[in-house]
Amino acid sequence: EPEVTQTPSHQVTQMGQEVILRCVPISNHLYFYWYRQILGQKVEFLVSFYNNEISEKSEIFDDQFSVERPDGSNFTLKIRSTKLEDSAMYFCASRALLDIQYFGAGTRLSVL
Amino acid sequence: QKEVEQNSGPLSVPEGAIASLNCTYSDRVSQSFFWYRQYSGKSPELIMSIYSNGDKEDGRFTAQLNKASQYVSLLIRDSQPSDSATYLCAVNLRQLIWGAGTKLIIKP
Repeated sequence: EPEVTQTPSHQVTQMGQEVILRCVPISNHLYFYWYRQILGQKVEFLVSFYNNEISEKSEIFDDQFSVERPDGSNFTLKIRSTKLEDSAMYFCASRALLDIQYFGAGTRLSVL
Repeated sequence: QKEVEQNSGPLSVPEGAIASLNCTYSDRVSQSFFWYRQYSGKSPELIMSIYSNGDKEDGRFTAQLNKASQYVSLLIRDSQPSDSATYLCAVNLRQLIWGAGTKLIIKP
């Protein structure tokens, strides 16, 4: 069964460093999303991406964040200068025309 | 402010009984509603989607939607210990707006 793949599963970084989280959405999907979940808290929307551009973003998604679809398969989330409060699980999701989103297993980001 | 509210629990239910999970939402424009299950440290897994008022059944799961009352619920029949997880309600408003989840514990 097709699935959304995220790498790495766990990323440890020092405060102020740049990180790139990678996602391979399901191949025929058109819409892509990033969410984050701080430990013990609710899932929060970050950004949605369609037709090679951002379609929606939340107030969390500030200038430190960027997304890119560098080729036909990968979808990346970059955090330019990580802060302690960026420590969270980051989930990538994708969907086709129907609005059901399928989630990857997540990347746990630990900022020290 | 778009809100999705759930009782955080934990909700403890004996094995074999019916578990009832509830969710309310604030934005009347919402048209799509989802229940996801999340095991500790794992990603959300879709259980049910519902778009129209009334009930939708899938195996042991039944989702109920009442748009007038802005209320969505999930019933789990014949609860199993493997159903123990956090259940997340999500509402689609161009992006998914999430509730904080209800922790469900099924006691053998």
